[in-house]
Amino acid sequence: QQQVKQSPQSLIVQKGGISIINCAYENTAFDYFPWYQQFPGKGPALLIAIRPDVSEKKEGRFTISFNKSAKQFSLHIMDSQPGDSATYFCAAIRQTGANNLFFGTGTRLTVIP
Amino acid sequence: KAGVTQTPRYLIKTRGQQVTLSCSPISGHRSVSWYQQTPGQGLQFLFEYFSETQRNKGNFPGRFSGRQFSNSRSEMNVSTLELGDSALYLCASSFGLWRGGNQETQYFGPGTRLLVL
Repeated sequence: QQQVKQSPQSLIVQKGGISIINCAYENTAFDYFPWYQQFPGKGPALLIAIRPDVSEKKEGRFTISFNKSAKQFSLHIMDSQPGDSATYFCAAIRQTGANNLFFGTGTRLTVIP
Repeated sequence: KAGVTQTPRYLIKTRGQQVTLSCSPISGHRSVSWYQQTPGQGLQFLFEYFSETQRNKGNFPGRFSGRQFSNSRSEMNVSTLELGDSALYLCASSFGLWRGGNQETQYFGPGTRLLVL
């Protein structure tokens, strides 16, 4: 059973546009929600993260929106650039207990010049 | 400062064999986590070692094991390889115990691509 559902699987956006990637989770015990960016041939890198007591977090052009009641969170990339072309993963983490860390299946973003 | 290094980068094995992958964390980092990445299942957490002790574990069979040495270097072993074990195995390090984030940031290595024939 997929603990975290991510959509879309792939996304094509024009340069300067807004990229939006969505994730949904079931387990309300999750208490930390990071997003990772992965370029081909590289390992993932932490991009931005949010805790459920906050509804939005912004870092530069990247924003996480968090809807606790709907158990959904999304990544918004404003003014998307070709250099943003990468695969993005969301994750949901429970800071206690074992087997506490689950990732979405990834979204391949392509930003067209 | 050098990043996380993983060896080998590519590996081909046959079913039933076993394999050992190595990870050297960033200097000073004491936590090492391992992940499996496949096209079908995506990224999945295997385990985390801190100060030579396994501190967290994902939902993988006992064929997957690991260890950490006193210099924080870590090895991951997969015994009795199956075709489904073909994947990119990623290692990540952090200064303190990561346990999913908290105050620590993990830094990933480039991975070891394992192909099981």
